[in-house]
Amino acid sequence: AAGVIQSPRHLIKEKRETATLKCYPIPRHDTVYWYQQGPGQDPQFLISFYEKMQSDKGSIPDRFSAQQFSDYHSELNMSSLELGDSALYFCARSLGDWGTRSKDKNIQYFGAGTRLSVL
Amino acid sequence: GENVEQHPSTLSVQEGDSAVIKCTYSDSASNYFPWYKQELGKRPQLIIDIRSNVGEKKDQRIAVTLNKTAKHFSLHITETQPEDSAVYFCAASISGLTGGGNKLTFGTGTQLKVEL
Repeated sequence: AAGVIQSPRHLIKEKRETATLKCYPIPRHDTVYWYQQGPGQDPQFLISFYEKMQSDKGSIPDRFSAQQFSDYHSELNMSSLELGDSALYFCARSLGDWGTRSKDKNIQYFGAGTRLSVL
Repeated sequence: GENVEQHPSTLSVQEGDSAVIKCTYSDSASNYFPWYKQELGKRPQLIIDIRSNVGEKKDQRIAVTLNKTAKHFSLHITETQPEDSAVYFCAASISGLTGGGNKLTFGTGTQLKVEL
């Protein structure tokens, strides 16, 4: 079945530490998006990848970086963590150019998210 | 860039009543408008979407309307049930871009509470 697997589900870090969030789109040939959702806020687009290349960039801090690997999984790396980085981080997938019907290409399905708490 | 406004921020209705949530967008190039339902601490789940070549779409108790000229779209939920209680987000995107550039810009969300 199609979906998105995110790990870990919960992560607790101290200020100034680093964190790595992982996303596994199923099936593999998908566009991957990362979103950050603060408490009581709407999801904010961070970055996206298509065919292992960065396709778009949003409000992602310079302390964050991301990439998509040869097996199409993606990782979001966060350094020098700040209290304000505490949020839910969602990975979403769409079929991109792999959709069988044009109307399917842009539907984004979200993973269960990683809850990051910075203490 | 795109800006999406959503109203109201909270909405309380009696079970069986209808609920309407409205959104406006700023970028006339946006042509794909999904609605997501999010329960506390859970993932956003797509409940319905509409594209700019369609004015209205319905799926059982849920309907969405789109006015391209005015750049606004609305979610209508009829015969509301307690399990409809959640936060609802509208979003806008430019679909059809190759290379995966179809990011979603979300509205600020509406907390819907359906009371017995």
